[in-house]
Amino acid sequence: KQEVTQIPAALSVPEGENLVLNCSFTDSAIYNLQWFRQDPGKGLTSLLLIQSSQREQTSGRLNASLDKSSGRSTLYIAASQPGDSATYLCAALFSGGYNKLIFGAGTRLAVHP
Amino acid sequence: GAVVSQHPSWVICKSGTSVKIECRSLDFQATTMFWYRQFPKQSLMLMATSNEGSKATYEQGVEKDKFLINHASLTLSTLTVTSAHPEDSSFYICSARVDLEAFFGQGTRLTVV
Repeated sequence: KQEVTQIPAALSVPEGENLVLNCSFTDSAIYNLQWFRQDPGKGLTSLLLIQSSQREQTSGRLNASLDKSSGRSTLYIAASQPGDSATYLCAALFSGGYNKLIFGAGTRLAVHP
Repeated sequence: GAVVSQHPSWVICKSGTSVKIECRSLDFQATTMFWYRQFPKQSLMLMATSNEGSKATYEQGVEKDKFLINHASLTLSTLTVTSAHPEDSSFYICSARVDLEAFFGQGTRLTVV
């Protein structure tokens, strides 16, 4: 069964800390992995997309890595800010079967001043 | 990135009535769109895949007659919740892909009273 798991489920950090969010997936046959941000009651904003052939992607203070062989991805947020407070979701687009985008349960991040 | 627009953002309806939610791809054509449902503090669950010009593909456990999907054009998919009941209250969100990258609408908060 294709599953995506995220840990931790929730994280509270002081402003300025560097932090790592973890995502694991059960099947290495993926097209890509995406990281999203969701603010309460809102839709999803795509942060980073990593193709299966890539190892990492960077955008500003965000860096996402992908290790297909171990079924893991990490999202690194540098110098966290209160505005980074949100739920972060990772999703894997599995290439077998119906090409479904499967989501993890998310990590709820709170950055306090 | 590509823009997916969803309307309405929120809707309140009486039990037994039907509600239609629209999902539009604004700057690209989408032969396939995806409808998700999200319960509070939970992740997104794929409900169905909407296919332009043909029947939608529903995930196991999703009632086809309850959640009617129409994909009449390359830029519009609609989800109609028929005979809505309080247990249908949820956050519904649509998605479309460009080159296997997923983009999401703003979501619709449905409350059935």
